[in-house]
Amino acid sequence: DAGVTQSPTHLIKTRGQQVTLRCSPISGHKSVSWYQQVLGQGPQFIFQYYEKEERGRGNFPDRFSARQFPNYSSELNVNALLLGDSALYLCASSPGGATYNSPLHFGNGTRLTVT
Amino acid sequence: TQLLEQSPQFLSIQEGENLTVYCNSSSVFSSLQWYRQEPGEGPVLLVTVVTGGEVKKLKRLTFQFGDARKDSSLHITAAQPGDTGLYLCAGDRAQKLVFGQGTRLTINP
Repeated sequence: DAGVTQSPTHLIKTRGQQVTLRCSPISGHKSVSWYQQVLGQGPQFIFQYYEKEERGRGNFPDRFSARQFPNYSSELNVNALLLGDSALYLCASSPGGATYNSPLHFGNGTRLTVT
Repeated sequence: TQLLEQSPQFLSIQEGENLTVYCNSSSVFSSLQWYRQEPGEGPVLLVTVVTGGEVKKLKRLTFQFGDARKDSSLHITAAQPGDTGLYLCAGDRAQKLVFGQGTRLTINP
């Protein structure tokens, strides 16, 4: 079975540009979460979607937005990119919305570099 | 300040040695998870601990959840080069995962 797939794997953008990252969850998983992992740090929670509804939002500015489609795939959009947005963006899927009994399966991430 | 503090942040030891990694917080978590992440890949779940005082074993890895559900430890016996990686603890807080900053472990042959 295919795991969580993310595209693109690498991306280079210029300050002020906009970027869209894509995620396809494991088949049958209805929840998608997005995390930002800056080099040398642990992942930071950005968004969770379950059944196309936003379930949670981390401490990120409004430049970050996301959505989940009827097929449960998801997109993360970041507007007006800053140098500090350079990071590995991880998508994770799970069967349900609760984390303790519905563990996360992570993709390999999109490495975003802002110059 | 980090909600979950991991120590040490870096650890380099010789093959065959034992080691313990700690994950501490002043907050209570309903569950705590340990992940391992290798370069170029996403984190992979190793174990979830739910009950205070719980101990789980995964081959040479032993995970313990503190009685008060505020801290956890990961002990590796007879470390092998294949254990090299970034070890992350993550606490379940309002159904969102809060990660520690990670422990980068290197096992030298």
